[in-house]
Amino acid sequence: DTEVTQTPKHLVMGMTNKKSLKCEQHMGHRAMYWYKQKAKKPPELMFVYSYEKLSINESVPSRFSPECPNSSLLNLHLHALQPEDSALYLCASSQDQSSGGSGTQYFGPGTRLLVL
Amino acid sequence: DQQVKQNSPSLSVQEGRISILNCDYTNSMFDYFLWYKKYPAEGPTFLISISSIKDKNEDGRFTVFLNKSAKHLSLHIVPSQPGDSAVYFCAASPKPNAGNMLTFGGGTRLMVKP
Repeated sequence: DTEVTQTPKHLVMGMTNKKSLKCEQHMGHRAMYWYKQKAKKPPELMFVYSYEKLSINESVPSRFSPECPNSSLLNLHLHALQPEDSALYLCASSQDQSSGGSGTQYFGPGTRLLVL
Repeated sequence: DQQVKQNSPSLSVQEGRISILNCDYTNSMFDYFLWYKKYPAEGPTFLISISSIKDKNEDGRFTVFLNKSAKHLSLHIVPSQPGDSAVYFCAASPKPNAGNMLTFGGGTRLMVKP
């Protein structure tokens, strides 16, 4: 099983709203990732959590706030977004070889976000 | 500076023939390479990977070749099927450990004609 689930599938929000994206995996992976993808572009890394600790923040604006409540869950809290933040937000997870995994990142289906 | 490049934005192939997608990289620290397939508005689906200690990895209709001296990898799909039509991304990382960054190429749109 290589399933990563994301909710919601679609989200429309105003620039003053606060919303959250959720990601879940039950593969026992200890690294989880948030990516942003614009049309016709490759995914861009936003955040990496390794063993529930934030290990990489790719200079993402503070209006995006990640949270890793436990090893299976990853949230992305959104506040005061701009229209240019509209994109497909992807979650991924992986397990490193030292823990018996392959290191391959497996992606969820994404949340399509529209900021009005 | 793009460390992973897919120079062909699109490729059109007849059903049943071979599809060859190419990818070049510049960073000598890359140790692990992956191919993902992506349909519109969906997440990338992992297809196949190869580590730098190998030069070929095969999984069904998909084969990935790695030429380390040329810093080049390719994905071969044989035979191509209409359902293979999608955008294909190659990706690379220094080593396949948790919390490591993937660097993606720009993608190649494959169209397989019936």
